[in-house]
Amino acid sequence: GQQLNQSPQSMFIQEGEDVSMNCTSSSIFNTWLWYKQDPGEGPVLLIALYKAGELTSNGRLTAQFGITRKDSFLNISASIPSDVGIYFCAGQLSFGNEKLTFGTGTRLTIIP
Amino acid sequence: DAGVTQSPTHLIKTRGQQVTLRCSPKSGHDTVSWYQQALGQGPQFIFQYYEEEERQRGNFPDRFSGHQFPNYSSELNVNALLLGDSALYLCASSSFQGHHGYTFGSGTRLTVV
Repeated sequence: GQQLNQSPQSMFIQEGEDVSMNCTSSSIFNTWLWYKQDPGEGPVLLIALYKAGELTSNGRLTAQFGITRKDSFLNISASIPSDVGIYFCAGQLSFGNEKLTFGTGTRLTIIP
Repeated sequence: DAGVTQSPTHLIKTRGQQVTLRCSPKSGHDTVSWYQQALGQGPQFIFQYYEEEERQRGNFPDRFSGHQFPNYSSELNVNALLLGDSALYLCASSSFQGHHGYTFGSGTRLTVV
């Protein structure tokens, strides 16, 4: 099945640094979502984006819905140890019960 | 308020066997979706159930089947297991009429040997 392309695949940063990651698709989505998955757990929704060009924040997290509707970006400011995990983007043709198409994931590690 | 509950948490099966995984949705949710997450990959959509019927299906063979019960809980069945079916199987529940997105369970880790 289709998977969206996420980059970078992994990141090693120091606590306090800012983080940027992105997600691209060959097809258009009308809703973009960002999830975080901790080991042994299911994905947890961080941010949902519903409109091309939209910029949305949730605490230290900021995400943008690309203007072409084929990409999205996630930034994390002033990283802390609990930010460690795998971040997934997901696209939906419409918000609600439409299936999610997930990205390949970005693994974030914080170096002591 | 319990979230999405999946059982069992871990399972080891032999190639060729059949397996049944179970999911209880979050209270107030009536729709259940199943995803397969292979190691190092993002989840892949298998199918979705609402009102005890399969509403959407991803690109998975007929060996993968499901069921939804009147209490909204759901089962995922996989027949003739292959080594490649080894994965984390995630259940996600939602409200068909709502717009609040999915709540995922912690998954069932299936290992086929």
